Amino acid sequence: GAGVSQSPSNKVTEKGKDVELRCDPISGHTALYWYRQSLGQGLEFLIYFQGNSAPDKSGLPSDRFSAERTGGSVSTLTIQRTQQEDSAVYLCASSQIGLAGGPEQYFGPGTRLTVT
Amino acid sequence: LAKTTQPISMDSYEGQEVNITCSHNNIATNDYITWYQQFPSQGPRFIIQGYKTKVTNEVASLFIPADRKSSTLSLPRVSLSDTAVYYCLVGDRGATNKLIFGTGTLLAVQP
Repeated sequence: GAGVSQSPSNKVTEKGKDVELRCDPISGHTALYWYRQSLGQGLEFLIYFQGNSAPDKSGLPSDRFSAERTGGSVSTLTIQRTQQEDSAVYLCASSQIGLAGGPEQYFGPGTRLTVT
Repeated sequence: LAKTTQPISMDSYEGQEVNITCSHNNIATNDYITWYQQFPSQGPRFIIQGYKTKVTNEVASLFIPADRKSSTLSLPRVSLSDTAVYYCLVGDRGATNKLIFGTGTLLAVQP
């Protein structure tokens, strides 16, 4: 079966523009996660969805970031008025159960965002 | 958010056993400890997971002391293809719906 897919794979945008990143999780996975990885850096947790609900959005770096998930499947991460410090690889992962159950997460290939 | 720390890098030779430790003193009570491997330009890949004591699978072992404030990933007989960055992942006791990746350890395996 298909793994986690993300689109676009690469995105170059001008400072101040809005961008939308998409994640298609593995079918049947109820939990979905977004992470950010800046160049040469570690993985930063952004947000977690259980079904369509995100219990805690405080991990999002600023109010320019928002995320939603519909139909318990596809998720979009939107960054408004992009800044150069938003340049990073944005990774999505999904799992059968979320968080405390500690399940194996399956990661997508990521979207490399470059803000010029 | 609590910090989860790992050594920045480790060097090894083919055929040796490698142990990578992660310090996570603020781990959530009910959460598992999970380790991932990441190659350049790829998403992380699951290696092993445990809650306490010792877990072993076909590629690694995971040792977790009783206080669960640290964990050690053990890779037996590493090969060149094990050169990668290794991360631990835990839940944050201070924030029930957040996860923390460790700072990552770059393992370089030489012939």
